[in-house]
Amino acid sequence: DSGVTQTPKHLITATGQRVTLRCSPRSGDLSVYWYQQSLDQGLQFLIQYYNGEERAKGNILERFSAQQFPDLHSELNLSSLELGDSALYFCASSSNRGRPTDGYTFGSGTRLTVV
Amino acid sequence: AQKITQTQPGMFVQEKEAVTLDCTYDTSDQSYGLFWYKQPSSGEMIFLIYQGSYDEQNATEGRYSLNFQKARKSANLVISASQLGDSAMYFCAMRGGHFGNEKLTFGTGTRLTIIP
Repeated sequence: DSGVTQTPKHLITATGQRVTLRCSPRSGDLSVYWYQQSLDQGLQFLIQYYNGEERAKGNILERFSAQQFPDLHSELNLSSLELGDSALYFCASSSNRGRPTDGYTFGSGTRLTVV
Repeated sequence: AQKITQTQPGMFVQEKEAVTLDCTYDTSDQSYGLFWYKQPSSGEMIFLIYQGSYDEQNATEGRYSLNFQKARKSANLVISASQLGDSAMYFCAMRGGHFGNEKLTFGTGTRLTIIP
């Protein structure tokens, strides 16, 4: 157990639907990052939250949104789903004390399949 | 902007041989961190090794070492005495050193296959 919990592990849904992916960071970590990994692709950064506020945004579609709650867990909402949204979605957390040495802990991912 | 380049889409290596996975990077930050991750077929991201931009010595973690050449902006991963369990995707990644740039930027990865 890495300490970062992602639920659900697998999700199958139809085009046009909306889903919510959940992430609980490692205890003490204030930053949460979301990444998307499409088939045989590298990881694309979507968005980062730090202590409840958005800190950095990557190539996140307007149909996607995220938030981080007071207990520091985060949710990634994907709406109007398309076949191309099928991917492995990772959450990672970091203590983010501003040092490059701050490590990351990845969750096991949510595999989303849109049919 | 930060960029990571991995030029080897796939590699086949005989078991027990050493293997070097290439990674070059580009950044305007003076302070940054370089990471290598392993992703087996099960999908999880496994941290292997870290190198800080100001570290004078190359990082080592068991059979993994990082050949850091700052002037060339390269951070190659060396796996000694490869094992069948090393077959996986390997990603090089970089973290910036300033506020708002703490995310990891990943390369496209190298698929390593160890042959018995």
